[in-house]
Amino acid sequence: DQQVKQNSPSLSVQEGRISILNCDYTNSMFDYFLWYKKYPAEGPTFLISISSIKDKNEDGRFTVFLNKSAKHLSLHIVPSQPGDSAVYFCAASPWGGATNKLIFGTGTLLAVQP
Amino acid sequence: NAGVTQTPKFQVLKTGQSMTLQCAQDMNHEYMSWYRQDPGMGLRLIHYSVGAGITDQGEVPNGYNVSRSTTEDFPLRLLSAAPSQTSVYFCASSYLRGRGGTEAFFGQGTRLTVV
Repeated sequence: DQQVKQNSPSLSVQEGRISILNCDYTNSMFDYFLWYKKYPAEGPTFLISISSIKDKNEDGRFTVFLNKSAKHLSLHIVPSQPGDSAVYFCAASPWGGATNKLIFGTGTLLAVQP
Repeated sequence: NAGVTQTPKFQVLKTGQSMTLQCAQDMNHEYMSWYRQDPGMGLRLIHYSVGAGITDQGEVPNGYNVSRSTTEDFPLRLLSAAPSQTSVYFCASSYLRGRGGTEAFFGQGTRLTVV
C-alpha cells in the first residue's frame, strides 16, 4: 500500500517555463513533507520542506504548496533550468518532524529542454 | 565537512556471501537510517537508529542486521546475500529540531549486485 504517491513518472518542460511536480499521500498522520532531488549515481539531496501547519513555503525558484484537505502537495520550479533535470522524490514524516523514518514516493523524472 | 560517507560505492557478491556496508557521519546527528532504492519503488526504509545502542526495523528489514555502537557509524550487514538484495543502498543521518523538523542528509550510495 503506497502511502506517498507520485503518479507522473516523468515530466518534460521547456527552459524558462514552470515545472509542477505533484505528490499525494494517504496517511493523515503525516505532518512534515520534503522534496529531494536526485542525479544519477548520487544520493538524494534536500530541496525544500513544509510543515503541516503551513500551506506554502518558498526558497528561491522553488515553492512547495500543501493542501491538507486534499492530502496533496506540489513543487513549483520557476523558471526551470536545464540543471534542474533530475529525479524528484516527495517524502513524508509522521513523527513531528523527525526525518529518520521517511516514506518516499516513487519519484518523477524531470527533463528541462534547452 | 564530509557529511555522510558510504563505502564501498560498488560491490558484487555471490549468493550466500556476507558483507558489511559502511556508513559514517561527521555531523553529530542522533538519527541514522538505511534505505534501499529499487526501480519504480522509490526509497524504502530498512533499519534506523535514534542513538548509539538503539536500533529498530523499518519497512523491509529481512536479511539485514544493524548495530550502532557509536554516534558516527551505522553499518548494515547482509548475513547471506540473495539476488533479491540487488539494489542501491543509501545511508542517511538527521536530527530532531523541535516541531520544525529538519532534512535528512544522504550518502552517495552503494550499488550492490548479488549474482
